[in-house]
Amino acid sequence: AQKITQTQPGMFVQEKEAVTLDCTYDTSDQSYGLFWYKQPSSGEMIFLIYQGSYDEQNATEGRYSLNFQKARKSANLVISASQLGDSAMYFCAMRASGGYNKLIFGAGTRLAVHP
Amino acid sequence: GAVVSQHPSWVICKSGTSVKIECRSLDFQATTMFWYRQFPKQSLMLMATSNEGSKATYEQGVEKDKFLINHASLTLSTLTVTSAHPEDSSFYICSASTSGRAPDTQYFGPGTRLTVL
Repeated sequence: AQKITQTQPGMFVQEKEAVTLDCTYDTSDQSYGLFWYKQPSSGEMIFLIYQGSYDEQNATEGRYSLNFQKARKSANLVISASQLGDSAMYFCAMRASGGYNKLIFGAGTRLAVHP
Repeated sequence: GAVVSQHPSWVICKSGTSVKIECRSLDFQATTMFWYRQFPKQSLMLMATSNEGSKATYEQGVEKDKFLINHASLTLSTLTVTSAHPEDSSFYICSASTSGRAPDTQYFGPGTRLTVL
């Protein structure tokens, strides 16, 4: 069965510092996709970054980068130069097998950025 | 691009009434739309997947007669919570994706907060 695990319920970081949010996954598929979404207190889910299982390089999008370690089945999100506006819930997700691009979400990590 | 809207953003209703929530993709055609439910401080739980012009596929444990989903066009899907009860109070979020658009990312609506009294 496919599963996403986020073991950090909450994280704190000082403004302007970098932070890593952990995500491990379990799948028997050879082809899969991994996503990170941000959910501020307002509730909307904001797409941050995507990593395909066959991508040779780690994905980067501005201050976000994904540390993809395929052998360890981990896809950690790194946020550089944290800003106060980064305070939110962060969800790691994996595209499920079986078509239709269904997503399986982890439990989420709440990030608090302190000034 | 890739904007998804939901209406209403919040709704309060009496127990026993039905509530309809709309999900629209504003600047792209969504071949597939998804409906999620999120309880406070929990993750998103997929309720159903709908493809334009066909019946929705419900996840295990989701009552299809209670949560009616219609995906009548490539830009609109609706979720109707029938005979709502207080335990149906939750945050409902839709998302939309389009085939052929790598990496088939799901774009989410802003969510609808339902409170059943």
